[in-house]
Amino acid sequence: EAEVAQSPRYKITEKSQAVAFWCDPISGHATLYWYRQILGQGPELLVQFQDESVVDDSQLPKDRFSAERLKGVDSTLKIQPAELGDSAMYLCASSSSGTGNPREQYFGPGTRLTVT
Amino acid sequence: AQSVTQPDIHITVSEGASLELRCNYSYGATPYLFWYVQSPGQGLQLLLKYFSGDTLVQGIKGFEAEFKRSQSSFNLRKPSVHWSDAAEYFCAVKRSQGNLIFGKGTKLSVKP
Repeated sequence: EAEVAQSPRYKITEKSQAVAFWCDPISGHATLYWYRQILGQGPELLVQFQDESVVDDSQLPKDRFSAERLKGVDSTLKIQPAELGDSAMYLCASSSSGTGNPREQYFGPGTRLTVT
Repeated sequence: AQSVTQPDIHITVSEGASLELRCNYSYGATPYLFWYVQSPGQGLQLLLKYFSGDTLVQGIKGFEAEFKRSQSSFNLRKPSVHWSDAAEYFCAVKRSQGNLIFGKGTKLSVKP
């Protein structure tokens, strides 16, 4: 069964350092989402891509976060510089596109970030 | 504004007992609703979804949920809980552009 891949699974970094996360969606899925999940909370959208274009990045802290999906396939989320409050689980999800019923989102295993 | 409320932060049930997790939503149009389960340190797995039609939907692992438009609710149920059901459960509503708005989650503990 196809899955969304994410790496690394765990990352510990010091405050003010740069960190990057990678996501490979299910093959053929045009829509890719990055969510952030703070401990004890539900996931919240950071950025949504349709192919290589950003659909929604209204909740992305653009002074320190950036996201790209250059070829419309895999995606990278970067934080520079990391702050203590960025400690969270970063989840990637993907879905197919098209008309008809809303497409289900498939989630990857996530990257657990700890900023010290 | 669109939102999802899960009133119960933590629920403990005995193994074999029935379960109901509550979810209320706020959404202007016909909602597309989901329940996900998350084991510690893992991603989210879809349990079931409601798009339209029959208001009682069946999902995986013996779960079901009932959509009640008049109460803006989409409660998750299971007739007999197993120890392996211990996890965190999230209710979500789909926004028009496709992304999900999640509730804060309900953590389920199962007593032997």
